[in-house]
Amino acid sequence: DQQVKQNSPSLSVQEGRISILNCDYTNSMFDYFLWYKKYPAEGPTFLISISSIKDKNEDGRFTVFLNKSAKHLSLHIVPSQPGDSAVYFCAASANTGNQFYFGTGTSLTVIP
Amino acid sequence: EPEVTQTPSHQVTQMGQEVILRCVPISNHLYFYWYRQILGQKVEFLVSFYNNEISEKSEIFDDQFSVERPDGSNFTLKIRSTKLEDSAMYFCASSVHLANSPLHFGNGTRLTVT
Repeated sequence: DQQVKQNSPSLSVQEGRISILNCDYTNSMFDYFLWYKKYPAEGPTFLISISSIKDKNEDGRFTVFLNKSAKHLSLHIVPSQPGDSAVYFCAASANTGNQFYFGTGTSLTVIP
Repeated sequence: EPEVTQTPSHQVTQMGQEVILRCVPISNHLYFYWYRQILGQKVEFLVSFYNNEISEKSEIFDDQFSVERPDGSNFTLKIRSTKLEDSAMYFCASSVHLANSPLHFGNGTRLTVT
């Protein structure tokens, strides 16, 4: 039961350009969404979050957009840097529960 | 910056043996979690823990699994009789609040069952 989906397993972007990572969810009870970045042999690192009362949240080069009607969120990284190369996971939770549901991840490669 | 620490980083065990994975959550966090990631697959929820008891668990978290907070700092995951399919990265996480609060993950323990 894949409640959070990342349909692109990989993405390559030129340094300096925008990276757009996408995520879809099916559970309308989800009200809190996060993006994590993961390097090999490390745990996921929290990047940015958004609650369902907002449609955009920005933190430096990272912006998360939420489209509740489409059950879709995206992470924009601009400008992309080689150090951004990692696997990015989106995750979602409902305040009625105690767990986060993760997507399968998108591997981002930023080409210098 | 405070972080979640996990030990060991890699554990190799034989099928049928018991393993204990250890975690030290961030000190002011109240909610604790175990997740796992089988190679090439998604990060899967195992269990959440609050106020010294399990608050939620997944179907994966069957009777062979148990969690404990034996003292004020450690949070452990025990697998009683390991199976080959238990081979995965096990991540511990903690958060300050339950709702609208990000999980902070440790670097994981790679469990290999032979």
